Amino acid sequence: AQRVTQPEKLLSVFKGAPVELKCNYSYSGSPELFWYVQYSRQRLQLLLRHISRESIKGFTADLNKGETSFHLKKPFAQEEDSAMYYCALLYNFNKFYFGSGTKLNVKP
Amino acid sequence: DAGVTQSPTHLIKTRGQQVTLRCSPKSGHDTVSWYQQALGQGPQFIFQYYEEEERQRGNFPDRFSGHQFPNYSSELNVNALLLGDSALYLCASSLGVAGLDTQYFGPGTRLTVL
Repeated sequence: AQRVTQPEKLLSVFKGAPVELKCNYSYSGSPELFWYVQYSRQRLQLLLRHISRESIKGFTADLNKGETSFHLKKPFAQEEDSAMYYCALLYNFNKFYFGSGTKLNVKP
Repeated sequence: DAGVTQSPTHLIKTRGQQVTLRCSPKSGHDTVSWYQQALGQGPQFIFQYYEEEERQRGNFPDRFSGHQFPNYSSELNVNALLLGDSALYLCASSLGVAGLDTQYFGPGTRLTVL
């Protein structure tokens, strides 16, 4: 069965510090993974997807099939990065399994 | 373009009642997916509609049903409401049925079952 685990409910860092939001997955097929973000009072929106290998707002995520992980990283956190972050796994062509989310709090 | 819209914003029902939630997709989108998000949890996939048919379904009982209209808007119906159905219900639209197509989420409908 498929599963996504985000072990941290809350992550607090200071502005300018590196940040890593952890995501581990379990899936027998070929994984397609995504990070979604929800800023305060805004809608859930796509941040990035592993297949695009892109960097959005300074965030990157590398799929590590050996460790079954897709951690989200940013070298220097900004206060505007404070938000709820969800890791999501695409399976069976068009079904999504979301993790329970990590709240990132960037302190000034 | 207002993006994905959902109505109503909030809803209060009692156990055993039935509820209908509505979603209008982003302009140009033809696929609608519904999610249930309980407090403190991530969204859980309920089902997806494309070409007026249910294409995929998550682990939800038959009490959860839906419909898609020719204009691509969609409804989510929940019968025989349980306390555990209290949640935020999210609608997401995309162009095409493939999961790699970017989903755009609506603001959600907050359902409270008393």
